[in-house]
Amino acid sequence: QSALTQPASVSGSPGQSITISCTGTSSDVGSYNLVSWYQQHPGKAPKLMIYEVSKWPSGVSNRFSGSKSGNTASLTISGLQAEDEADYYCCSYAGSSTNYVFGTGTKVTVL
Amino acid sequence: QVQLVQSGAEVKKPGASVKVSCKASGFTFTGYFIHWVQQAPGQGLEWMGWINPNSGATNYAQNFQGRVTMTRDTSISTAYMELSTLRSDDTAIYYCARRSSGSYSFDYWGQGTLVTVSS
Repeated sequence: QSALTQPASVSGSPGQSITISCTGTSSDVGSYNLVSWYQQHPGKAPKLMIYEVSKWPSGVSNRFSGSKSGNTASLTISGLQAEDEADYYCCSYAGSSTNYVFGTGTKVTVL
Repeated sequence: QVQLVQSGAEVKKPGASVKVSCKASGFTFTGYFIHWVQQAPGQGLEWMGWINPNSGATNYAQNFQGRVTMTRDTSISTAYMELSTLRSDDTAIYYCARRSSGSYSFDYWGQGTLVTVSS
């Protein structure tokens, strides 16, 4: 099972919006509305930001939003802030055989 | 509060085995699957497998089949991940994570355990 494809880096200025794509296949992203997104600051554990494509865990800012179309999921960060600078990973459930596949990761830089 | 606390860093020689622990607190340990995720230095996340602490059932990613064993001790609310026949490319941080109830996502993570494989 190959990793989901994400852009290596995305950047934006404070206050802007950015979108990170996550492209999979019809066996993972395309088959299940079970995409989650994780934020990881350097030296820290990942943090759940979005689950089931577009739902927010308790305590996560609604500046983060998720969507999906076909085999591609997306994470949008609105009103970009310095604290949003981190690595972001998508993850999709891929059935009982493969279970889970992560994305390649995207480094977000706040200019 | 929910916590997953992992054991400390390890240095192992090629061919050896390592066993990482993940102690849970703040929730009913047997009520949530525990997953393990590998992150090589400067690299992305790779899912390794899960254990159902209630039944002990496991499911491993193909890339780790035959080398990984996940176990648990419910009396001390601790999950374990043992990786055998270590190679240099097993040098990584290993995270345990709790699968959220009713959702296929990981809502709480351990702090990570660095395993270094070096001769």
